[in-house]
Amino acid sequence: DTAVSQTPKYLVTQMGNDKSIKCEQNLGHDTMYWYKQDSKKFLKIMFSYNNKELIINETVPNRFSPKSPDKAHLNLHINSLELGDSAVYFCASSQGTGKNIQYFGAGTRLSVL
Amino acid sequence: EDQVTQSPEALRLQEGESSSLNCSYTVSGLRGLFWYRQDPGKGPEFLFTLYSAGEEKEKERLKATLTKKESFLHITAPKPEDSATYLCAVEQAGTALIFGKGTTLSVSS
Repeated sequence: DTAVSQTPKYLVTQMGNDKSIKCEQNLGHDTMYWYKQDSKKFLKIMFSYNNKELIINETVPNRFSPKSPDKAHLNLHINSLELGDSAVYFCASSQGTGKNIQYFGAGTRLSVL
Repeated sequence: EDQVTQSPEALRLQEGESSSLNCSYTVSGLRGLFWYRQDPGKGPEFLFTLYSAGEEKEKERLKATLTKKESFLHITAPKPEDSATYLCAVEQAGTALIFGKGTTLSVSS
């Protein structure tokens, strides 16, 4: 049973399109995250939700909109995709309190052509 | 601004050749330092978390240590299956992690 699962694993699309990435965790965690890993493998936080509420919103273009329908799901919608959006996007979750170990999904590789 | 710096960027070892990876950090009020392992095409996998200077954690051939300014990941007698990118991260106020750029370890037999 995969603890943090993301779909799709690969996403190839044209510039200007809108796409979504889905994430689900079955760990019973309260907090979920989206990270972006660029071509140099640098992993950077984008958003964090705790119990469906946005708590961290780094400097990310407003073309990126996270949505949390419940605390087990955090989806990422991207409008008007640009070449620079090409990266691997990781979802993670944690208990969110005390010792904050984050568990990551396998990633979604987005390629914008 | 909080920063996490890992060195070296890449490390090549022969099987059985022990070495250490370094993670230096500047953060106001460390809440935790984390080590992750990342294999190609996969998400980071949690290894250790350290919370206070002097703390040490061990798992198989890996041992993580923490001082007030840096952490070391010691690899004793590595095997080819230890080849991966090792990521260090510090916990920022709130719940986000700030990651270093990683050390890519290659162990040849």
